[in-house]
Amino acid sequence: ELKVEQNPLFLSMQEGKNYTIYCNYSTTSDRLYWYRQDPGKSLESLFVLLSNGAVKQEGRLMASLDTKARLSTLHITAAVHDLSATYFCAVDSGGSNYKLTFGKGTLLTVNP
Amino acid sequence: NAGVTQTPKFQVLKTGQSMTLQCAQDMNHEYMSWYRQDPGMGLRLIHYSVGAGITDQGEVPNGYNVSRSTTEDFPLRLLSAAPSQTSVYFCASSSPLGAEQFFGPGTRLTVL
Repeated sequence: ELKVEQNPLFLSMQEGKNYTIYCNYSTTSDRLYWYRQDPGKSLESLFVLLSNGAVKQEGRLMASLDTKARLSTLHITAAVHDLSATYFCAVDSGGSNYKLTFGKGTLLTVNP
Repeated sequence: NAGVTQTPKFQVLKTGQSMTLQCAQDMNHEYMSWYRQDPGMGLRLIHYSVGAGITDQGEVPNGYNVSRSTTEDFPLRLLSAAPSQTSVYFCASSSPLGAEQFFGPGTRLTVL
């Protein structure tokens, strides 16, 4: 059974600081996704990582994937208040199906 | 394109009642999924479909039925609602394999 662990689950940071959210998973997979969710809203896709060593960047967010370590990171650079949200990673169990297992999410609060 | 639509947005049921949550997408996506989101639990996969006429169980399928008679629609049926099914339900679609999933706005269900 695929298990996905995110840490930290809660993150309070100051504007302008850097931080990293970690996503570990238990079985081999080379398809990993990051989503953002604002309170009371749906999920918005941030990044799709499909191979070992994949790195993608959008604004102040950068995601990477190490399939050998079964680890993805979401790095936040010079945080701003607008980044406050819950961030989820999700891992595909592989094969020809499309079954995502989600982490429990990281609630990020960026304080002025 | 409307993307992924879900109806209703809110629903209150009594224990034992049945109902169908509707999901439709207009992007001609092959893959469609239903998730439930509970506080502190992330999203958990209920059922998914890899194409019209093909469905399979996810992590928490008990108490739910699905069918996929067309590419566009993927309804979720609650057979006999229970308080444990109080949750926010999200439908998602994607194509091709490995691409990002697009999520609907969600249905907030309360079972009394």
